[in-house]
Amino acid sequence: DQQVKQNSPSLSVQEGRISILNCDYTNSMFDYFLWYKKYPAEGPTFLISISSIKDKNEDGRFTVFLNKSAKHLSLHIVPSQPGDSAVYFCAASASGGYQKVTFGTGTKLQVIP
Amino acid sequence: EAQVTQNPRYLITVTGKKLTVTCSQNMNHEYMSWYRQDPGLGLRQIYYSMNVEVTDKGDVPEGYKVSRKEKRNFPLILESPSPNQTSLYFCASSLIPGQGYGSYEQYFGPGTRLTVT
Repeated sequence: DQQVKQNSPSLSVQEGRISILNCDYTNSMFDYFLWYKKYPAEGPTFLISISSIKDKNEDGRFTVFLNKSAKHLSLHIVPSQPGDSAVYFCAASASGGYQKVTFGTGTKLQVIP
Repeated sequence: EAQVTQNPRYLITVTGKKLTVTCSQNMNHEYMSWYRQDPGLGLRQIYYSMNVEVTDKGDVPEGYKVSRKEKRNFPLILESPSPNQTSLYFCASSLIPGQGYGSYEQYFGPGTRLTVT
């Protein structure tokens, strides 16, 4: 049972345009969400996160939006750059003693120069 | 430099031959975890540890063992590897999730590519 889903395995975007990566979750106990970026032959690196008490968090070119009622979050990258080409994973966790972290399947982003 | 190290980076072995993948972190993190990455399945958590001598199962623990005798080390043990354990493995560490700013952010090692024939 995939509790965190990224339904788009891949996405291509022109340099300078907006990239939107989506993530859906099913477990209503999740209250903290993260995005990680992964280059080939490297481990994932943390990108941005959001708590369920917020609906938006921004860090430079990266913004994460959370829609709790829809159990949906998205990562916006504006403007997209070729160096953003990577696999992006969303992840979710629940506080209150439940310390597992559940990752999505990943979306491969290609930014075309 | 803050880092998580894993060894070996690449390993080819045969079915049934016990192996250990080591993981070490130098950030004094309480929380450590092992994941496997498989095509179309993303990252799946195998085991995690909240502190020394405290470990718990993740989503796919079958066929794996872990131990946490020291805070910095969290080895992954495959006592009788099988071909379905061929995968890319990542170790990660963090503060205890939910306890403080940035506590959910995990630092990952570079990965260990395991092939079991």
